[in-house]
Formats: sequence, structure tokens, C-alpha cells
Amino acid sequence: GENVEQHPSTLSVQEGDSAVIKCTYSDSASNYFPWYKQELGKRPQLIIDIRSNVGEKKDQRIAVTLNKTAKHFSLHITETQPEDSAVYFCAATFTQGGSEKLVFGKGMKLTVNP
Amino acid sequence: DGGITQSPKYLFRKEGQNVTLSCEQNLNHDAMYWYRQDPGQGLRLIYYSQIVNDFQKGDIAEGYSVSREKKESFPLTVTSAQKNPTAFYLCASSIDGSGLTNQPQHFGDGTRLSIL
Repeated sequence: GENVEQHPSTLSVQEGDSAVIKCTYSDSASNYFPWYKQELGKRPQLIIDIRSNVGEKKDQRIAVTLNKTAKHFSLHITETQPEDSAVYFCAATFTQGGSEKLVFGKGMKLTVNP
Repeated sequence: DGGITQSPKYLFRKEGQNVTLSCEQNLNHDAMYWYRQDPGQGLRLIYYSQIVNDFQKGDIAEGYSVSREKKESFPLTVTSAQKNPTAFYLCASSIDGSGLTNQPQHFGDGTRLSIL
């Protein structure tokens, strides 16, 4: 079945450290993997995404890697800052009845301590 | 994203009452989605619509209904059949719902529904 597993569920780091969030997905046909950041009480915001024809993508302090063979993708945040504190969700596309939908992981709460 | 407006921000439902959550977008997006967010559960898909006058059930459609009479509007009705409606409801849209181009989804600010 369609499933996206995300771990860890919580992570606490010191300012300036790196943080890594890992996700696995169940459908080898999945081909789009977005990452969202959600601050408390606010809407999820897309921070980076990657498509299955790319193995890695970087945007300033954020990078995402994709291993299609292992059905695994990760978000890397370097030089963390207190404003990076939020819940981060990974997602993957699944095809159902000829249409495509996103399935989300359960989220990871990141706390960056000053 | 300023182009997706959800209202109201807070909503209270009485027993046996149907309530409707509004979602409007001015981004000219074809596809629209409704998600439910519970603590520790992530986002779960309720309904989605790839084009006007067409919609599909998501993973947790029971107790909910939708309509898509206009491209810019995708209201969600939480019916009395939904026994545990307390949650944060998020609406999203994307340019193309066909899946062919894998366009990102953009979210509204959400509606928090509670039981009286």
C-alpha cells in the first residue's frame, strides 16, 4: 500500500549544528518528493522538492537527496538557526485510479536551541 | 500563499450539525485538495479535484462531502456522520492535477474546527 515513513519524530540540535530528516516510501513508481515546513499554527510552506530524475538538489542551507533504489530520501539542514524550529513533513506521489496524489509522512518536530 | 483563502479561521460545530469550510484560490490552479491534520498524524487527504465538476475521494472521505462548481472554489462540508471532526483542515491547490508535471501544492492558512 501507499506509505511514507518519516523519522525521527523529534530532533533537538544546537544552533549551528546540522539536522537530517529521513523518509522512506513504498511505491517504486513515486516520482515527486516535496518537503514542507510548518510553524506552529501556520500553513505548511514548500521549502524544497526533488523529482525522480535527480539524485540531489541544494538551495542555500537546505539540501535533499534521493535514493530511488532504496526508496529513501532525506532533508539536510546545515548551520541551523532558531528560526528553523518547526515541524517538517516529507511527501511522495502515489498514483491511484489514473490520478496522482501526495501522501505525507507524520512530520518531524525540529527544535534549534540558541 | 496569499492566493489561497480559507474561511473561517475557527469554527464550532454542534451535535448533528453540518458545517461548510470555504476555500477560494485566485491562482488559476486546476487542482484543489482538502487535508485533515491531527496531532502526530501528519496530513491526510480527504478529497481532491483535478478539474471543475469532478472530484475523487481521498483516504478519509467518510463523513465529508465536496463540490467543485467553479475553478476557484472547493468547499468542504463536514457532515453529522463525521463523529470525530475536531481537527485542523487545510486546503491546497496546484497548477496541474493530472500528475504529469508534478507541480507543488500550495496551502491556505487552515480552519480549526471544534465540537461544542
